[in-house]
Amino acid sequence: GAGVSQTPSNKVTEKGKYVELRCDPISGHTALYWYRQSLGQGPEFLIYFQGTGAADDSGLPNDRFFAVRPEGSVSTLKIQRTERGDSAVYLCASSRRDRGYQETQYFGPGTRLLVL
Amino acid sequence: EDQVTQSPEALRLQEGESSSLNCSYTVSGLRGLFWYRQDPGKGPEFLFTLYSAGEEKEKERLKATLTKKESFLHITAPKPEDSATYLCAVQATGGSYIPTFGRGTSLIVHP
Repeated sequence: GAGVSQTPSNKVTEKGKYVELRCDPISGHTALYWYRQSLGQGPEFLIYFQGTGAADDSGLPNDRFFAVRPEGSVSTLKIQRTERGDSAVYLCASSRRDRGYQETQYFGPGTRLLVL
Repeated sequence: EDQVTQSPEALRLQEGESSSLNCSYTVSGLRGLFWYRQDPGKGPEFLFTLYSAGEEKEKERLKATLTKKESFLHITAPKPEDSATYLCAVQATGGSYIPTFGRGTSLIVHP
């Protein structure tokens, strides 16, 4: 079956602009995660959705970052007033949350964001 | 706070030269430990999940083992196509499903 997909694959924007990054999880996966990865680092947690609601948004760095998942499937990560420090790879992952099922996350290819 | 430390940061091997990557972790209670492979410009690709000390899993030239403090990813007779960054992550008990990732080990296998 299809894996996690993310669009766009690359995004170049100017400082101060607004960007939206999209994630389409594996069909049937109820949990969805957003991470940010800088060069030479492991993925850093941003926000976790269980269904339509944000179950944990403790990783969002500030109020410029916001994410939604209105129908419990596709999610959009929104960044307002982008800063050069926001440049990174934004990864999305999904997992099944059936009781007793292993909590393995499957990642998408990422969106490479460059803020000039 | 959960911590994951991977070593070495980088490893160069000759084709056929077996070695091991280390993932040391500190967590109040372990729900699961995950190994991923990440190729340049790609997202992490799931390899293994380990749940309890003494558990081992194998896939082709890779074998993952787990103790109460660390996990090893053993690579037997590696090939150039095994070159990638290998990431370790731990998931703690207690309700949160958020894994903590290490920085990864960058492996290069020379032909």
